[in-house]
Amino acid sequence: QKEVEQNSGPLSVPEGAIASLNCTYSDRGSQSFFWYRQYSGKSPELIMFIYSNGDKEDGRFTAQLNKASQYVSLLIRDSQPSDSATYLCASGGNAGNNRKLIWGLGTSLAVNP
Amino acid sequence: GAVVSQHPSRVICKSGTSVKIECRSLDFQATTMFWYRQFPKQSLMLMATSNEGSKATYEQGVEKDKFLINHASLTLSTLTVTSAHPEDSSFYICSARDQIAGGGETQYFGPGTRLLVL
Repeated sequence: QKEVEQNSGPLSVPEGAIASLNCTYSDRGSQSFFWYRQYSGKSPELIMFIYSNGDKEDGRFTAQLNKASQYVSLLIRDSQPSDSATYLCASGGNAGNNRKLIWGLGTSLAVNP
Repeated sequence: GAVVSQHPSRVICKSGTSVKIECRSLDFQATTMFWYRQFPKQSLMLMATSNEGSKATYEQGVEKDKFLINHASLTLSTLTVTSAHPEDSSFYICSARDQIAGGGETQYFGPGTRLLVL
């Protein structure tokens, strides 16, 4: 069973702090990894993707991938109350999965003013 | 780019009626779309994969005769909930697969349809 695991949280951080969200995956054949943000009552929105080991930065967001440890993380710098949402990790790019994304259950983040 | 729309955004119907939900890729062609369902405070659940010009592939436990999927064009997939019952009340979300930088692909989501069956 191919799985993506996330801590459900809630993760609570003060405004201005760094929020660190973590994800592990079981399928070594996965080639791409995604972070989606989902506000309550809304649909998911893609915020980051990463293919290669190391860090990828986009504004206040940094995605980190370690394929040897099968670990993906998302760092949010200078967290804002508007970052409060559920963050979904997904893996993809494995033709054996019919190219579906494998989803984690999400981590709830609360940024406190 | 990569905008996906859904219609209607919200629907209330009586038990036993059928409801059709449309999913459109507005600025790209999507040979593959996905239909998800999400109950309150629960995770996304993939219902089926919709492929243009062919039959949909349903996930285990999803009744294909109850949830009819048609993907007749490269920009439109429809989900019809037949003979809806109160337990079908949920948030239905479609996504469309598109390419991203680096040669990969991912899914872009529509805004979702909230279905309430009375």
